Amino acid sequence: GQQLNQSPQSMFIQEGEDVSMNCTSSSIFNTWLWYKQDPGEGPVLLIALYKAGELTSNGRLTAQFGITRKDSFLNISASIPSDVGIYFCAGRNSGNTPLVFGKGTRLSVIA
Amino acid sequence: GAGVSQSPSNKVTEKGKDVELRCDPISGHTALYWYRQSLGQGLEFLIYFQGNSAPDKSGLPSDRFSAERTGGSVSTLTIQRTQQEDSAVYLCASSLFSTGTSYEQYFGPGTRLTVT
Repeated sequence: GQQLNQSPQSMFIQEGEDVSMNCTSSSIFNTWLWYKQDPGEGPVLLIALYKAGELTSNGRLTAQFGITRKDSFLNISASIPSDVGIYFCAGRNSGNTPLVFGKGTRLSVIA
Repeated sequence: GAGVSQSPSNKVTEKGKDVELRCDPISGHTALYWYRQSLGQGLEFLIYFQGNSAPDKSGLPSDRFSAERTGGSVSTLTIQRTQQEDSAVYLCASSLFSTGTSYEQYFGPGTRLTVT
């Protein structure tokens, strides 16, 4: 089946630093999504991308849908302690079909 | 408004017992999904319901797993004869059937299942 390769697996950064993580796939997706999961909670949608090349921001978060439709990245600027959590990329082919998830990037922010 | 709710939040069961996990989707959402998240892993698709269509069961790992959705709303995931490898967090999500950010999948808090 389809798989997403997400990197890095974990990151330790200082508060105020910028963060970048990415996801790649061997096959094309028509939608890329980025979710954040806090301990004991379900994933929460951060950004949704629907067009190849699309660059979308949500506050300090910026994500891009790669032009090949096989990759996406998420940047977080000026990190703060509440950014701590696990970030997942997810891809979908069409409509409301089930999502394919990466294995997540665990972010730790050192104050 | 109310989000997706799941119950119980935690379930400890003995190997070989059956368990039922419940999901209450967001009111009006026609699509409902079950995923499984093993420790340190991403989410693995299990089953998908859309309206009155036959469910997509392609992600169910074995015939011990089944799910129902009654009245197009509440869903129950049943695991029969549980095994230790079934231990995971089971997440439910729902969405409206359309496209756009407002129609993406919204997740419940999950049920943490531990099989001893």
